[in-house]
Amino acid sequence: AQSVTQPDIHITVSEGASLELRCNYSYGATPYLFWYVQSPGQGLQLLLKYFSGDTLVQGIKGFEAEFKRSQSSFNLRKPSVHWSDAAEYFCAVGSEFSGNTPLVFGKGTRLSVIA
Amino acid sequence: DVKVTQSSRYLVKRTGEKVFLECVQDMDHENMFWYRQDPGLGLRLIYFSYDVKMKEKGDIPEGYSVSREKKERFSLILESASTNQTSMYLCASSSAGENVAPRDRGEQYFGPGTRLTVT
Repeated sequence: AQSVTQPDIHITVSEGASLELRCNYSYGATPYLFWYVQSPGQGLQLLLKYFSGDTLVQGIKGFEAEFKRSQSSFNLRKPSVHWSDAAEYFCAVGSEFSGNTPLVFGKGTRLSVIA
Repeated sequence: DVKVTQSSRYLVKRTGEKVFLECVQDMDHENMFWYRQDPGLGLRLIYFSYDVKMKEKGDIPEGYSVSREKKERFSLILESASTNQTSMYLCASSSAGENVAPRDRGEQYFGPGTRLTVT
């Protein structure tokens, strides 16, 4: 069965510092991987996704993520965090053949940004 | 621009009431989903639908039912609301089928959510 683990429930970083959010997945085939962001009181917005090709994926708002098959990981990074990045971040896994099946989501990591 | 809308952002209902949450998407997507979100538990799938009049149970269907009479609309029904159903409810949709480009497969588009309080 597919599963996603986000080991960090809550992370606090200083504005301007670098950020890495961890995501590990379990999936038997080639996965499709997603990172979503949720600002307070809002729905989820797609940051980036990996489906094939280059393992380093660029997304919106200056985020990037690297797919490492050997480590079953898809960590999200940003070189310099802005106060507006404070939000909850969700990693999700699906497959090319997911068709009608839902994505599997991690439990999320809440990011706080301090001055 | 793709869009998923939900009928209410905030809703307050009394215990025992029948509650309808509506979701509409304008992207002609085959798949639609209902999740609830609670602190520390992430998103939990309640029901999903992959076609009109079709539905599948998710991880936590108890106490809920759904209706999909038209492709663009997916309703979540709380037959008799209880206080433990106080939560944020998120609707999502996605495309499916052979005509979908590989890069677009699986991606789910979310509505803004409905925060339901049952008193």
